[in-house]
Amino acid sequence: SAVISQKPSRDICQRGTSLTIQCQVDSQVTMMFWYRQQPGQSLTLIATANQGSEATYESGFVIDKFPISRPNLTFSTLTVSNMSPEDSSIYLCSLGTSGVQETQYFGPGTRLLVL
Amino acid sequence: SQKIEQNSEALNIQEGKTATLTCNYTNYSPAYLQWYRQDPGRGPVFLLLIRENEKEKRKERLKVTFDTTLKQSLFHITASQPADSATYLCAVTGGGNKLTFGTGTQLKVEL
Repeated sequence: SAVISQKPSRDICQRGTSLTIQCQVDSQVTMMFWYRQQPGQSLTLIATANQGSEATYESGFVIDKFPISRPNLTFSTLTVSNMSPEDSSIYLCSLGTSGVQETQYFGPGTRLLVL
Repeated sequence: SQKIEQNSEALNIQEGKTATLTCNYTNYSPAYLQWYRQDPGRGPVFLLLIRENEKEKRKERLKVTFDTTLKQSLFHITASQPADSATYLCAVTGGGNKLTFGTGTQLKVEL
């Protein structure tokens, strides 16, 4: 199975700043996704990262706040822009076998704290 | 509205016993249901998938049942071990074919 890594693993940021999270996979994958897991909450899908085109965002998430890049089949980035304490969360990238409804394989996550 | 409910209270059991976790869903008609394990500071790890036409699925010490009439799945770990301590998440396909996760139940297996 594919090995998924994320950078950074954790960070503490000041409000108003932005953080870019990287997700690297050791093999080419078609479907990559970004999730958020707020404290005590379940995972919420932010967007599907589409290779070579704009990401597809879920309701409640917008490109200006969470810009996503997917330059190739092994790499994606998620930026959390103009951060506020409400953005404190774990951010996870995942791979899907063939669609967002299919089994997901998750990276280790990035734990973000915004002060 | 669509809901997935898992017991938010931690489940504490003794080593060697069978742990049973519950996942209830409302306003879904999922084609399948999945269970994941999540350890602190780690991403969820896929465990089992069960389809709507399957009543039961087994993998080593794990067993999942799926009752589409009751809208419920039960997740069993037999001969539980301290290493089984983790949070277990269920997930169903919802509207728009998205995978929607429950909040998880924390399992603690004590010696």
